[in-house]
Parts: sequence; structure tokens; C-alpha cells
Amino acid sequence: GAVVSQHPSRVICKSGTSVKIECRSLDFQATTMFWYRQFPKQSLMLMATSNEGSKATYEQGVEKDKFLINHASLTLSTLTVTSAHPEDSSFYICSAIKSGQGASYEQYFGPGTRLTVT
Amino acid sequence: AQSVTQPDIHITVSEGASLELRCNYSYGATPYLFWYVQSPGQGLQLLLKYFSGDTLVQGIKGFEAEFKRSQSSFNLRKPSVHWSDAAEYFCAVGARGKLIFGQGTELSVKP
Repeated sequence: GAVVSQHPSRVICKSGTSVKIECRSLDFQATTMFWYRQFPKQSLMLMATSNEGSKATYEQGVEKDKFLINHASLTLSTLTVTSAHPEDSSFYICSAIKSGQGASYEQYFGPGTRLTVT
Repeated sequence: AQSVTQPDIHITVSEGASLELRCNYSYGATPYLFWYVQSPGQGLQLLLKYFSGDTLVQGIKGFEAEFKRSQSSFNLRKPSVHWSDAAEYFCAVGARGKLIFGQGTELSVKP
């Protein structure tokens, strides 16, 4: 078990539009989910920590008004890129921690979403 | 500050040869350590993890890693590499509720 899905896997949008990416834990509940961004040939950069029922905690330098995160249930977190621009094009990956797992840091990763802004 | 260093950006090994990927961390307390593998365009798959206890940990796909506190290292090893092992490998440390990743090591496998 411990499967995390993301939808869509690829999305192309026009500059100035918004796009929503979903992250779901399919066979477990996740109080905490994380959103990462990855540029080509680079490591994962943590964007924000999403906790069910509360506001997300954003990393320094991440625009919270541009990257809206909602964690409305124990199995779903969404990332909305608002007014997207070409520089927002990237690979976005989510991960989840099983509820009740405590501070074990074991995260289960989704397959990622490739966003291209034209 | 917590950090993870993977000194080798790219490694090429021949199929059947042994492999060692290096990872050094900086963390004040007992670390939670992880190795993940990422195939192109995919998410991350956990290979193995160290929380406590035996410093030699076994993972999936024949991988193992050894935690050496004195060297602040957590190197990943495999005795015989397969062509399907070609991928990006990330070492990570758990700190303050988050995972801190190294820069990654790209592994290429020669036939």
C-alpha cells in the first residue's frame, strides 16, 4: 500500500491562466502532504507543507498568492498555479505522510505533473 | 543548518559491476536517512531508509546502505548493477518535519 496519485500527469496552459493539480493518497489517510518543484536535472525543492484543515506553510521565497494550496480532506491536496507564466513551467511532485505515522519523515511520492506554460 | 551532499553528479558503470553512490549529511541529532530513485519523468521511489539500529540497511532491488556516524555518511551500494538501474538517485535527511534532498546522482549503465 501507500500509493499517491497526481492528476493530471501533463498539462499545457496559456500564460495568464490558472491550473489546478490534484494529489491523492489512494489507500491511506494523509494529514500532511508536501508539494515540491523540480527543474530539469536538479533536485527537489520543497514549496510548501499542506496540513488537512489548516493553511499551508510555504517555504521562504515561494509566493503563496501564486501557488494556492488546499488540503480539504485526508486524501486530497490541490495546488493551483494562478496567473501562470512560462517561468512556472516545471515538474511538480507531491508527497504524503501517513496519518499517525508521527515524525518518521517517511514520505510517499506521487508520479509528478509536468506543467508547460506557453 | 541541515544539508545533504552528493559529491558525484554523474556516474557511469558497466553492467554487472559494483556500485557505490556517496552521500554526506550535516545534522546535529541522530538523522533519519533515505535513498530514493527517480526514473525520467517519474516520481520518487523509496529504496531504503535508516532510522536507528543496525547501521547496514537492506533495501529493494538489491541495494544496501551503510550509516557511518563518524563520517556523516550514508553511502548506497549494489554488488552488481543491472541496466534497469540507470536513473537518478537522491539521498535525503529528515529534519524539522521535512526531507532535505541532496543534489542527486545520475547513474548511467554501460552494456
